[in-house]
Amino acid sequence: DGGITQSPKYLFRKEGQNVTLSCEQNLNHDAMYWYRQDPGQGLRLIYYSQIVNDFQKGDIAEGYSVSREKKESFPLTVTSAQKNPTAFYLCASRAMSSYEQYFGPGTRLTVT
Amino acid sequence: AQSVTQLDSQVPVFEEAPVELRCNYSSSVSVYLFWYVQYPNQGLQLLLKYLSGSTLVKGINGFEAEFNKSQTSFHLRKPSVHISDTAEYFCAVKARGGSNYKLTFGKGTLLTVNP
Repeated sequence: DGGITQSPKYLFRKEGQNVTLSCEQNLNHDAMYWYRQDPGQGLRLIYYSQIVNDFQKGDIAEGYSVSREKKESFPLTVTSAQKNPTAFYLCASRAMSSYEQYFGPGTRLTVT
Repeated sequence: AQSVTQLDSQVPVFEEAPVELRCNYSSSVSVYLFWYVQYPNQGLQLLLKYLSGSTLVKGINGFEAEFNKSQTSFHLRKPSVHISDTAEYFCAVKARGGSNYKLTFGKGTLLTVNP
């Protein structure tokens, strides 16, 4: 089945540690996105990529980094510079011929 | 830039009652409109979208929405809800044209269907 995989579903880290969230898709989509979701805040765009080896900052990129070395993979690193990293992180992808974004199941990150 | 306002953060209803979830948007250009649903601890799933044509759009699970350009609204409706419709619903917009494929989301409406 085609879809988006995010792993792990739950992730716990100590403050000051960097952590990388995985996002893999087998939909052959060109564009991929990372969102952060906080209760009552909706989804906020962190980074997006429309092509391999290229990505753009979204609305809340500070404290995050990404890479896009392969079409199917778009990992997100939450660095120690992110002041409030505890959140639900959602990855999405989109075919270039469509406006619809497909979402993964999300990773809930807790930093203590 | 675009913005989305979902007028109700929570909507409680009884099973088999009708429901309307309200969405208003602001944009200096024409937009595409979307409704997504999120079940607890899951990703988002597209319910329906308005790109062009008929302003009444039908989606999955019996939901429909009507685009009203003069009121800049895209309200979501269902004539009879089920317990399984309990979820959070997000309205989103995208500006027409250009190479910017960003979606702007509202803050969500939590629909709770009670027996």
